[in-house]
Amino acid sequence: ETGVTQTPRHLVMGMTNKKSLKCEQHLGHNAMYWYKQSAKKPLELMFVYNFKEQTENNSVPSRFSPECPNSSHLFLHLHTLQPEDSALYLCASSPAAAVTSTDTQYFGPGTRLTVL
Amino acid sequence: GDSVTQMEGPVTLSEEAFLTINCTYTATGYPSLFWYVQYPGEGLQLLLKATKADDKGSNKGFEATYRKETTSFHLEKGSVQVSDSAVYFCALSDILTGGGNKLTFGTGTQLKVEL
Repeated sequence: ETGVTQTPRHLVMGMTNKKSLKCEQHLGHNAMYWYKQSAKKPLELMFVYNFKEQTENNSVPSRFSPECPNSSHLFLHLHTLQPEDSALYLCASSPAAAVTSTDTQYFGPGTRLTVL
Repeated sequence: GDSVTQMEGPVTLSEEAFLTINCTYTATGYPSLFWYVQYPGEGLQLLLKATKADDKGSNKGFEATYRKETTSFHLEKGSVQVSDSAVYFCALSDILTGGGNKLTFGTGTQLKVEL
């Protein structure tokens, strides 16, 4: 499945570093999402963008800064992270052509982030 | 708020055994229900979905029926294979007024199938 790609697949960073995660979807979708998957916790929705506009911020700390320059690309800029931010970060996209709960979200493979 | 409860894992079965993974939900609206599967080192893949009460989703021998009266969406497969070993996530979807939809996930159930 190459519909949603994420780079890098693995990232190790120190607490003072600045890094960015990239997501690209080739499905012609209008909505894009960032999720955090930590060990032994349910996946947590972080941000939602619809037609490049942010429509949801699930009380995410400001050290995570999303950017959506167009409907195909989504970034997550990371700055001054903490060790507890180590997790798998998943990007997803969905059609969002109408307001509906039935859309399927398609996920990328994720970026495994380790904060030292 | 919305929530999803899944049975704890890991579930260990022999090949060709019958599989049931229980999932119940709490929601205020009329959500759609999903099962996603995650293989080691990969992202989530849609396994099946149901968008209204009494709908049955099915794919690759897996089935789940949307039961509104019991708020359940249990996953079943008649005969599992080693290749089914993965983590299975139940999720419900509700609309976001700004567009897109919000998925609320269960904690996931790890399935191990042995020869």
